[in-house]
Amino acid sequence: GDSVTQMEGPVTLSEEAFLTINCTYTATGYPSLFWYVQYPGEGLQLLLKATKADDKGSNKGFEATYRKETTSFHLEKGSVQVSDSAVYFCALSGSGGGADGLTFGKGTHLIIQP
Amino acid sequence: DTGVSQNPRHKITKRGQNVTFRCDPISEHNRLYWYRQTLGQGPEFLTYFQNEAQLEKSRLLSDRFSAERPKGSFSTLEIQRTEQGDSAMYLCASSSRVEGETQYFGPGTRLLVL
Repeated sequence: GDSVTQMEGPVTLSEEAFLTINCTYTATGYPSLFWYVQYPGEGLQLLLKATKADDKGSNKGFEATYRKETTSFHLEKGSVQVSDSAVYFCALSGSGGGADGLTFGKGTHLIIQP
Repeated sequence: DTGVSQNPRHKITKRGQNVTFRCDPISEHNRLYWYRQTLGQGPEFLTYFQNEAQLEKSRLLSDRFSAERPKGSFSTLEIQRTEQGDSAMYLCASSSRVEGETQYFGPGTRLLVL
């Protein structure tokens, strides 16, 4: 079945550091890929998405590129802020065109220190 | 529109009791999903509705779990004869045909079974 593997956390960085959170996936067909973020005490929020190979999703300074050849969707940000501290989830949708649920990774807890 | 809402936000119950959670999706979203999230894990897909039809329910955790969406608007998730292992966050998400696989999540209902 479909699966998503994320780097384990917590990841601790200093403010203004470069961020990479690795995400690889296994899926049949051509899934859409997502990054969701969960801030302390809040629900999941969509951060960015990509629906086909070589697409780049971007939002709030975060970027991720859909790499079919390496089955990856790594999240990057050039300069992190304390307010980026949260749990980040990589997810994929199945080949059902939205008719099935998302498959999530376990999440990566990011801690940014001032 | 204020997004997906869920009630209650917190529920404490005793083992063996039945509980019911409600989800109100974003208006005009015809697709509705339920997930369970346990500590340190990503959300796990449970079931899916398109309008009032439950099109996927094989991922419900046991026959103690059931969900309805009687008029194609709000949905309820019921757990009968709760067990301590049911303690988790229960998330609801909705999506529209226009946006395809992009799902928007509510804040969740946190269940504690004593």
